[in-house]
Amino acid sequence: DAKTTQPTSMDCAEGRAANLPCNHSTISGNEYVYWYRQIHSQGPQYIIHGLKNNETNEMASLIITEDRKSSTLILPHATLRDTAVYYCIGNSGGSNYKLTFGKGTLLTVNP
Amino acid sequence: DTAVSQTPKYLVTQMGNDKSIKCEQNLGHDTMYWYKQDSKKFLKIMFSYNNKELIINETVPNRFSPKSPDKAHLNLHINSLELGDSAVYFCASTRRGSSYNEQFFGPGTRLTVL
Repeated sequence: DAKTTQPTSMDCAEGRAANLPCNHSTISGNEYVYWYRQIHSQGPQYIIHGLKNNETNEMASLIITEDRKSSTLILPHATLRDTAVYYCIGNSGGSNYKLTFGKGTLLTVNP
Repeated sequence: DTAVSQTPKYLVTQMGNDKSIKCEQNLGHDTMYWYKQDSKKFLKIMFSYNNKELIINETVPNRFSPKSPDKAHLNLHINSLELGDSAVYFCASTRRGSSYNEQFFGPGTRLTVL
């Protein structure tokens, strides 16, 4: 799995967009970029994933640079309930379907 | 309806005891996992089963023995508990063969060894 680098923490005002960056310069061609989050004391929750193209779902948008060395998770209108640790993970799936979690980014949404 | 459930939610026990944690998923998935999250909040995979077959074993001490009676259940038995086993244990499941690796996690079991 690709090594990923994320800021340790970020703040965002409620109602504003939260942009969480992730560097994955060693990502290989068949590795997807996954984003999960963990709200305090809960199990991790899948948010979104992408390979090359930008992706959007009901939770967030994922912007992947053309060289695939970095990506940004966008929460368009952050709420207090979005306060969580956000993990960016490079994974090729394949036979082991193993996720390797790093330290993630603690996003704090402030009122 | 709970997708991935774990029992118990909290477990407090003495060093040296043997304990089990149970996990069940009703998503029809064929692959299940155990993860450990320690006090520093690092989340690490321990085991994975696919159709009752062990496919991932991440150099976990052999005091930990997973058992999968069927595709919907993955239990974790821990022998001779040590202080360092104190952590939150998460179960997860996915459908292998899907185009992407979306794992569904349970609520966690907080194990405290005294």
